[in-house]
Amino acid sequence: GQSLEQPSEVTAVEGAIVQINCTYQTSGFYGLSWYQQHDGGAPTFLSYNALDGLEETGRFSSFLSRSDSYGYLLLQELQMKDSASYFCAVRDGKGGGNKLTFGTGTQLKVEL
Amino acid sequence: NAGVTQTPKFRILKIGQSMTLQCTQDMNHNYMYWYRQDPGMGLKLIYYSVGAGITDKGEVPNGYNVSRSTTEDFPLRLELAAPSQTSVYFCASSDGLAGYEQYFGPGTRLTVT
Repeated sequence: GQSLEQPSEVTAVEGAIVQINCTYQTSGFYGLSWYQQHDGGAPTFLSYNALDGLEETGRFSSFLSRSDSYGYLLLQELQMKDSASYFCAVRDGKGGGNKLTFGTGTQLKVEL
Repeated sequence: NAGVTQTPKFRILKIGQSMTLQCTQDMNHNYMYWYRQDPGMGLKLIYYSVGAGITDKGEVPNGYNVSRSTTEDFPLRLELAAPSQTSVYFCASSDGLAGYEQYFGPGTRLTVT
């Protein structure tokens, strides 16, 4: 089976940098995705890592270390609109389903 | 291009009633998924489909059924609703090559009393 751990809550100030960590245990690993979800909204895709290293998309970056079963999402130049929940998700390609197993999410609060 | 649409947005059911949650996507994606999200929790996979006529169970399939007769539609059926099925239900779809990027519908908020 799959299990993921991420902090339940993180608080940071506007303009700062914040890192959200994710550790996982999985029987079949294809990659790690990150999703953002605002209160009352649907999850939206942010980033994906299949290989070790850093992927950068604007103010957001995501890192993966397959040997450590660890990844993180880095948010730079925080804005109030970044207040949301962030989920890491392990991609399981077994059975051809491209299934994702989600963590329980990290609620990010951005303060002035 | 509407993406993934779900109906209804909200629904209140009495214990023992049944209902179908509708999901449609217009991106010609082969893969479709149904998740439930309980308050403060992550998403749990109920059922998924890799194409028309092919469905399989996810992590929490009990109490639900699905069908996939077309590429576009993936309805979720709740039989004999129970309070434990009170949740927000999300439908999603993805391209086969990029299954890590799933597109989600706006969700259906279901309360069973």
